Amino acid sequence: AQKVTQAQTEISVVEKEDVTLDCVYETRDTTYYLFWYKQPPSGELVFLIRRNSFDEQNEISGRYSWNSQKSTSSFNFTITASQVVDSAVYFCALSPGGFKTIFGAGTRLFVKA
Amino acid sequence: GAGVSQSPSNKVTEKGKDVELRCDPISGHTALYWYRQSLGQGLEFLIYFQGNSAPDKSGLPSDRFSAERTGGSVSTLTIQRTQQEDSAVYLCASSLVAPVNRTFFGQGTRLTVV
Repeated sequence: AQKVTQAQTEISVVEKEDVTLDCVYETRDTTYYLFWYKQPPSGELVFLIRRNSFDEQNEISGRYSWNSQKSTSSFNFTITASQVVDSAVYFCALSPGGFKTIFGAGTRLFVKA
Repeated sequence: GAGVSQSPSNKVTEKGKDVELRCDPISGHTALYWYRQSLGQGLEFLIYFQGNSAPDKSGLPSDRFSAERTGGSVSTLTIQRTQQEDSAVYLCASSLVAPVNRTFFGQGTRLTVV
């Protein structure tokens, strides 16, 4: 089975707080790609980060970072020092084999001033 | 073009009518994808093109749905005999070769079947 689970439906934080979005994936493919996308109120999905199945190290890009653990099939995404403009729906996605992409249900993030 | 362009941005149609949704991918992108986003269903994969061929049509919900791509560029998603459950936002995306490359999404076509 190929599946992406985002257990958090909504998260609300106050500006400048750090926030972590959880994602658990299932796949039998040995080669796959994981992504985080942001969908602001305007509706257009925006690519944030990508991880390959053979990546072990975590990465930081500006205020974004991800923590991936193969043992638990988790791919969590952290925003450091959140801002109001970060308010959006965040989708975790899995691309098994590198073509079709399966999305999680999304986590709606509210960042209050 | 500068980004993925979809038209129309909004479409209201009567139940039973056919509709065509258009997608202009980023120039040079060989991979093109159609997704549907509806309340309660999240983002569903519909179909994927590599060039003009569609290796994966597994997400098309019924035979009322079809898609084509010509010249390795523009793609059209056609829904025949629309039903109310077809109401959703239809998103198109493109990438250089495959999702292993960064994928860019259009702003979508909001389809309402009345």
